[in-house]
Amino acid sequence: EVQLLESGGGLAQPGGSLRISCVASGFTFDTYAMSWVRQAPGKGLEWVSAISGSGHSTYYADSVKGRFTISRDNSKNTLYLEINSLRAEDTAVYSCARESAANYLYDSWGRGTLVTVSS
Amino acid sequence: QTVVTQEPSFSVSPGGTVTLTCGLSSGSVSTSHYPTWYQHTPGQAPRTLIYSTKTRSSGVPDRFSGSILGNKAALTITGAQADDESDYYCLLFMGTATYVFGTGTKVTVL
Repeated sequence: EVQLLESGGGLAQPGGSLRISCVASGFTFDTYAMSWVRQAPGKGLEWVSAISGSGHSTYYADSVKGRFTISRDNSKNTLYLEINSLRAEDTAVYSCARESAANYLYDSWGRGTLVTVSS
Repeated sequence: QTVVTQEPSFSVSPGGTVTLTCGLSSGSVSTSHYPTWYQHTPGQAPRTLIYSTKTRSSGVPDRFSGSILGNKAALTITGAQADDESDYYCLLFMGTATYVFGTGTKVTVL
């Protein structure tokens, strides 16, 4: 069974940094591109970032480019998202998702971790 | 920046039909965007309804169907049921590993 479990969210100060993680199990992690998707309170789903299976290629939404860094450690089956220069509008539930490249969709999701940016 | 627009909300009667659409701020949605439709309740993982424009995901009732209507992707619910009340999002493929979600539609069944 595919499982994705996020952690690392919490309360953070504006201008600060935070790193969230997603541990994967139940599949061969390094053969799948992975992504982060967020949902701010009362708002819709927003695609944030993606990384290739090898980790060599990364992709970002314009809204986070330059502040967010996606990475992965395939030896630990873990996906990361480092968020810098935190803003109030980064407050959201951040979920990791597995891409099904054959079908151009996300076929597995974590439950998410809540990041709250507030002083 | 690419914006994918959906109707903010729809109300449908039980047993009725509703069509949700998914359009691009610049250009047309085509099968090359491999439109996916998700049903989502906040706090839960999105449920895949339709992928690659019109392929129904395993276990999804046939009252859900996908298509391209004009220059937009579309999700039609035929014979709406109470448990179809939810948020619906389209997802478009924009290039290698890059996607964009639509703004979402809240469907009310009453």
